Amino acid sequence: RKEVEQDPGPFNVPEGATVAFNCTYSNSASQSFFWYRQDCRKEPKLLMSVYSSGNEDGRFTAQLNRASQYISLLIRDSKLSDSATYLCVVKDNNDMRFGAGTRLTVKP
Amino acid sequence: DAGVIQSPRHEVTEMGQEVTLRCKPISGHNSLFWYRQTMMRGLELLIYFNNNVPIDDSGMPEDRFSAKMPNASFSTLKIQPSEPRDSAVYFCASTTDSYQPQHFGDGTRLSIL
Repeated sequence: RKEVEQDPGPFNVPEGATVAFNCTYSNSASQSFFWYRQDCRKEPKLLMSVYSSGNEDGRFTAQLNRASQYISLLIRDSKLSDSATYLCVVKDNNDMRFGAGTRLTVKP
Repeated sequence: DAGVIQSPRHEVTEMGQEVTLRCKPISGHNSLFWYRQTMMRGLELLIYFNNNVPIDDSGMPEDRFSAKMPNASFSTLKIQPSEPRDSAVYFCASTTDSYQPQHFGDGTRLSIL
């Protein structure tokens, strides 16, 4: 079993759609959780941290369920510029594990 | 503020040659990471340093790969001799502490012919 598993997609959605990505992790001792975004031929960039109580940043909402070892990312009112690969990241001390990523394409 | 700086951005060389990738972490960050990314294997951690000391090099593929961090502002990843299967994008990242996210450099796109 992979340490961090994501739905690989691809997700192809129209502009304005709401899309949700899921991620599960195997290490129950994991301490920090993040979503990164990676554009084609670019480096991964931090999208948002994920907090236990859930958090929102504009159109983006992240949720964490420690009991189920599950993380989610919700994108509302998707834009063309949201097209990218979204990486789920789980951290235990300096051991940072990346999911394989979920590819999103938002179409006009 | 300057981010993580990597050089070169692109490297194309023939198999058997020595390749040296360079990284300057964000000033004040005490942890530095080297990753490799390919389509087949995704993002893989090769090695990381904490306060210039290598902590975990279990991801280094084989003895042909070596990494050093002589001071807090500079690290190298060396491949000698290089092989075509080493072709990938190599990222360097840095962070301040274990709870903070890592910040990535632009990467070095390496092609071994």
